[in-house]
Amino acid sequence: EADIYQTPRYLVIGTGKKITLECSQTMGHDKMYWYQQDPGMELHLIHYSYGVNSTEKGDLSSESTVSRIRTEHFPLTLESARPSHTSQYLCASSDVGQGSILAEAFFGQGTRLTVV
Amino acid sequence: QKEVEQNSGPLSVPEGAIASLNCTYSDRGSQSFFWYRQYSGKSPELIMSIYSNGDKEDGRFTAQLNKASQYVSLLIRDSQPSDSATYLCAVRSGANSKLTFGKGITLSVRP
Repeated sequence: EADIYQTPRYLVIGTGKKITLECSQTMGHDKMYWYQQDPGMELHLIHYSYGVNSTEKGDLSSESTVSRIRTEHFPLTLESARPSHTSQYLCASSDVGQGSILAEAFFGQGTRLTVV
Repeated sequence: QKEVEQNSGPLSVPEGAIASLNCTYSDRGSQSFFWYRQYSGKSPELIMSIYSNGDKEDGRFTAQLNKASQYVSLLIRDSQPSDSATYLCAVRSGANSKLTFGKGITLSVRP
């Protein structure tokens, strides 16, 4: 059973607002990821982190930012939301270390964001 | 060329049939390979992982890996309507590298 949590599950917000999507995991995983997925479309990696104070941009350009101050917490922030940010955001984590080559990524329930 | 390609689909099979899902990858140094299942509106969940050439079986699921051809597949035997979902292939180049997903194949199992 995966112990990775995302809040909120659903969010409708007005254009120009600042929002933070929360992601927490209790598995002690070093690697964490943020993916963006439109309905029926593929997952796009937008940010990832290998550990505390380590963050990298993913394959898809995103106006969001992330931080990794604690191992268990990987929040994603949009400074000024726009309708083009409407999507589902999925957080995931995986283990790193010896023998982790087959370490699977565990996904949170996702946050469905609508910007109006 | 995309790093992970899943070009076939959507796929429709009758109940009880074998469903064959294919995936190719571009990085010859890739070391581990995963199949995830994603039901509509839900998050992906892991079905199989494989890192050695050959077949790996788990119940009705078999993952097949051919590193020379840069090809990984998933076979689902005795397909059930509950298997209807999108199947995502994912590849990792090394223990410390990111996981890259294909776009997925949507499988529909007809009762």
